[in-house]
Amino acid sequence: EPEVTQTPSHQVTQMGQEVILRCVPISNHLYFYWYRQILGQKVEFLVSFYNNEISEKSEIFDDQFSVERPDGSNFTLKIRSTKLEDSAMYFCASSDLEVAGGKNIQYFGAGTRLSVL
Amino acid sequence: ELKVEQNPLFLSMQEGKNYTIYCNYSTTSDRLYWYRQDPGKSLESLFVLLSNGAVKQEGRLMASLDTKARLSTLHITAAVHDLSATYFCAVTFSTSGTYKYIFGTGTRLKVLA
Repeated sequence: EPEVTQTPSHQVTQMGQEVILRCVPISNHLYFYWYRQILGQKVEFLVSFYNNEISEKSEIFDDQFSVERPDGSNFTLKIRSTKLEDSAMYFCASSDLEVAGGKNIQYFGAGTRLSVL
Repeated sequence: ELKVEQNPLFLSMQEGKNYTIYCNYSTTSDRLYWYRQDPGKSLESLFVLLSNGAVKQEGRLMASLDTKARLSTLHITAAVHDLSATYFCAVTFSTSGTYKYIFGTGTRLKVLA
């Protein structure tokens, strides 16, 4: 069964460093998403991406964040200068359709746990 | 402010009992989702509800949607230990044809044998 894969599963970094979280969405999907979940808290939407550009982003997704689809398979989230409060689980998701009245079932990866020291 | 609230936040129940989790949201939404998350794991899609009065059932779980009340419920019938997990509802809000996704606070369910 097709699945969304994320690497690495755990990333430890020093405050102020740049990190890149990687995701391989399901191959025929066109819509890609990043979410984060601080330990024990709810899931928060960061950004959606379609046709090589950001479709929508939340207030959390400020200038330190960026997303990219560098090739036909990978979808990355870059955090330029990490802060302690960026420590969280980051989930990537993908779907094949996002239209009004459509189901838009999103399939989530296993997540990358980011620890900022 | 867009809000999605779930209650209860924590639910401990005996096997075999029935219970309902509630999800309220603050503005019109195109879609409502229910997800399951096991500890340390990712999110598993359970249901997608699109229209007023929609009801979906899978095993011991049944989800419904009342768009007028901006309320969805996840009903658990005859709970079993395997249903222990955190359950999230999430709604989409359309802005100019694109969608934001807002999650509820989650309900941590523990089913006691």
